[in-house]
Amino acid sequence: NAGVTQTPKFQVLKTGQSMTLQCAQDMNHNSMYWYRQDPGMGLRLIYYSASEGTTDKGEVPNGYNVSRLNKREFSLRLESAAPSQTSVYFCASRVLAFREETQYFGPGTRLLVL
Amino acid sequence: KNEVEQSPQNLTAQEGEFITINCSYSVGISALHWLQQHPGGGIVSLFMLSSGKKKHGRLIATINIQEKHSSLHITASHPRDSAVYICAVRPDYSYSGGGADGLTFGKGTHLIIQP
Repeated sequence: NAGVTQTPKFQVLKTGQSMTLQCAQDMNHNSMYWYRQDPGMGLRLIYYSASEGTTDKGEVPNGYNVSRLNKREFSLRLESAAPSQTSVYFCASRVLAFREETQYFGPGTRLLVL
Repeated sequence: KNEVEQSPQNLTAQEGEFITINCSYSVGISALHWLQQHPGGGIVSLFMLSSGKKKHGRLIATINIQEKHSSLHITASHPRDSAVYICAVRPDYSYSGGGADGLTFGKGTHLIIQP
């Protein structure tokens, strides 16, 4: 199993450009998440998807859109990038079994918006 | 608003020392996670707790639900334990805005173990 994979690993954008961050998991998990991590702050939830075909806003959704294309893939789109979106983005999936939950994180995407 | 506070923010210790990292939170929760983030950036799940205590190798995690507090202990610390340790909680449904899913994270504790 590859676990949770993310592409790209690094990206530099100019203000106003758009891009899509890709995330996939091969563990058959229903729940998937997008977080951002900024210096001096904890990870913050951008969007999540409880199951295929559903998505919901998290704590910091402004400036982002998401698509849960199928059970494996959950993409994050920046329509018009802004310097404030410079961050490290983590995709995660979650499994709940016998009242125990485990979070699996992707390796992260470092995004710099100039 | 749910707050997750970790202490200390930074900790430097000598190899072999017993390490304690603390986490306090402000709302009812259904789960608490301890995560490890290495300098390369990857995040790995160490423990999920809903009550009591768990042990995995040299790592021990405890939680006191009544006091809204958890601790992560590392025994016989080693330089390879150097990392950022992150506490994260999943609020009870009643605190989660009626459905918002996802964890609330502390800012992390940066641990350095010197040889």
